[in-house]
Amino acid sequence: DAGVTQSPTHLIKTRGQQVTLRCSPKSGHDTVSWYQQALGQGPQFIFQYYEEEERQRGNFPDRFSGHQFPNYSSELNVNALLLGDSALYLCASSLFRDRYNSPLHFGNGTRLTVT
Amino acid sequence: LAKTTQPISMDSYEGQEVNITCSHNNIATNDYITWYQQFPSQGPRFIIQGYKTKVTNEVASLFIPADRKSSTLSLPRVSLSDTAVYYCLVGDIENRDDKIIFGKGTRLHILP
Repeated sequence: DAGVTQSPTHLIKTRGQQVTLRCSPKSGHDTVSWYQQALGQGPQFIFQYYEEEERQRGNFPDRFSGHQFPNYSSELNVNALLLGDSALYLCASSLFRDRYNSPLHFGNGTRLTVT
Repeated sequence: LAKTTQPISMDSYEGQEVNITCSHNNIATNDYITWYQQFPSQGPRFIIQGYKTKVTNEVASLFIPADRKSSTLSLPRVSLSDTAVYYCLVGDIENRDDKIIFGKGTRLHILP
């Protein structure tokens, strides 16, 4: 039973570029949430996707956008990269109907470095 | 969402019991308390969740007093591999708010 998988594991981009990160949820899960974790900080909620729609969003600019596909996998897109976007990007999955009773399952993240 | 306060860091020794306390003075009636563990360069991993009194699983125990304004994660007989960051989260799991908010967590360092 595969857990949450994220790709790539590491990425280096230049300021102003665009990046796409990918996430496959745990088998059986249909909801994907994205978090940004800066060094030494806790994960910060970006947004959550269910039924291919963004359900909730944290305090992140429109440069951060996402998508969920019919197979429940998801992408996080960040445009016009800033140095401050350097962080570990985490994907977490859950089952929507059980989201209040079951914990989030996290992938090991994508380490994005913006130079 | 209720804000949580945890110690920034703690040190302990192998074989000891470690207790990490989290304060959540503004916890609401519908809020549950959840703890996650995170190792470097990995995603957080669920440890335990509770609403009141005591919850125990194979990994840890969670003690919640009657007023629910704090909670204590107890790790029995820790080993070096328990060195990690531990996050206490309080969330309203009945109010359809899925913005699970992480604080800075407690960095636990286990010494030999």
